[in-house]
Amino acid sequence: EAGVAQSPRYKIIEKRQSVAFWCNPISGHATLYWYQQILGQGPKLLIQFQNNGVVDDSQLPKDRFSAERLKGVDSTLKIQPAKLEDSAVYLCASSPTTGGGNTIYFGEGSWLTVV
Amino acid sequence: SQKIEQNSEALNIQEGKTATLTCNYTNYSPAYLQWYRQDPGRGPVFLLLIRENEKEKRKERLKVTFDTTLKQSLFHITASQPADSATYLCALDDYGQNFVFGPGTRLSVLP
Repeated sequence: EAGVAQSPRYKIIEKRQSVAFWCNPISGHATLYWYQQILGQGPKLLIQFQNNGVVDDSQLPKDRFSAERLKGVDSTLKIQPAKLEDSAVYLCASSPTTGGGNTIYFGEGSWLTVV
Repeated sequence: SQKIEQNSEALNIQEGKTATLTCNYTNYSPAYLQWYRQDPGRGPVFLLLIRENEKEKRKERLKVTFDTTLKQSLFHITASQPADSATYLCALDDYGQNFVFGPGTRLSVLP
């Protein structure tokens, strides 16, 4: 079974520029997550979708970050304008459903450096 | 506020020994606790899940304990190998709400 696909793998941008990351979850997985992982820290949830509806976006900096999941499959995370502190790995993940005890399957991540 | 701590940022052990990693939490009542492994430059990979009413779970050389009174989970790797070197993350799962990861412990198994 194909895993979670993410692109691009690496991106370097200047502050105040914009960037977009794309994610294709495992086929059939209803729940999709975007996490931010800063070097040396654990992943922090930015947004969680169930199909194409938002379940939790309480930690998403909505003044600069946006995410959508059209048709309940692929998702895009956008940052505009980027700040230096946005330098991190952006991990997309999926699970079969929402609810306790689900295994979360992660992609390889998109590495963002803001200079 | 919720807080998750994992013992020391880094742990070095000798090959063949048992590695014990600790996950402590406060202000949280997870229904499940999960452990993930993360290699450099890769996404986390699921290892084990333990439910709040389970005391212990095993999978091959891995063992997890869960003490909801102490608010602590221990993760053991027996007969450790250099290939076990990675960062290990604990994650608290409250029925799919508030799924929170700890900061991770970087394990190095020395040959």
